[in-house]
Amino acid sequence: DTGVSQNPRHKITKRGQNVTFRCDPISEHNRLYWYRQTLGQGPEFLTYFQNEAQLEKSRLLSDRFSAERPKGSFSTLEIQRTEQGDSAMYLCASNPAGGYEQYFGPGTRLTVT
Amino acid sequence: QKEVEQNSGPLSVPEGAIASLNCTYSDRGSQSFFWYRQYSGKSPELIMFIYSNGDKEDGRFTAQLNKASQYVSLLIRDSQPSDSATYLCAVFSPQFYFGTGTSLTVIP
Repeated sequence: DTGVSQNPRHKITKRGQNVTFRCDPISEHNRLYWYRQTLGQGPEFLTYFQNEAQLEKSRLLSDRFSAERPKGSFSTLEIQRTEQGDSAMYLCASNPAGGYEQYFGPGTRLTVT
Repeated sequence: QKEVEQNSGPLSVPEGAIASLNCTYSDRGSQSFFWYRQYSGKSPELIMFIYSNGDKEDGRFTAQLNKASQYVSLLIRDSQPSDSATYLCAVFSPQFYFGTGTSLTVIP
């Protein structure tokens, strides 16, 4: 098991474009979380899945953000009509059923120009 | 709004000393507490978790939890320059809330 993986690691996009990120959790981890982190801040919760069900979504998350986990394995996070304020590190984490210890992927750094 | 508070630092300690990192949280119903280490430009790495009042030791790291005072701390014994990083406190309640982190520098 190689841990949580995320792709791409870096993404530079122009304002107004759509971007999609992928997260592959640790195998058999049924919970998957997405976070956003900006410089000097801790990770900010965006949404989480238990298997394929999206159980919670942050009220801070605008309608431009959507996430899926169609088969309960990998997940995608899409940002539509990107804005400069979306520039951040997007982190994915997973933890197993019955456990709360979260393991993070390496993150995707998004820069919106 | 549930909050997790940490001193942002920076905290500097000489090599070999004990580094003490502190965290308070607002939700009295919180049950699970975590410490992550984050090197600059990298993602958080889980180093300790604690669920019960008292101390939990793992190598050079000790986590301390006092639910009555809503306080959790991390002690790093025999600090090494490689411990220089930002340490994030996280609370599960019932989603994860993170503090802003404390920057630690261990001076050789």
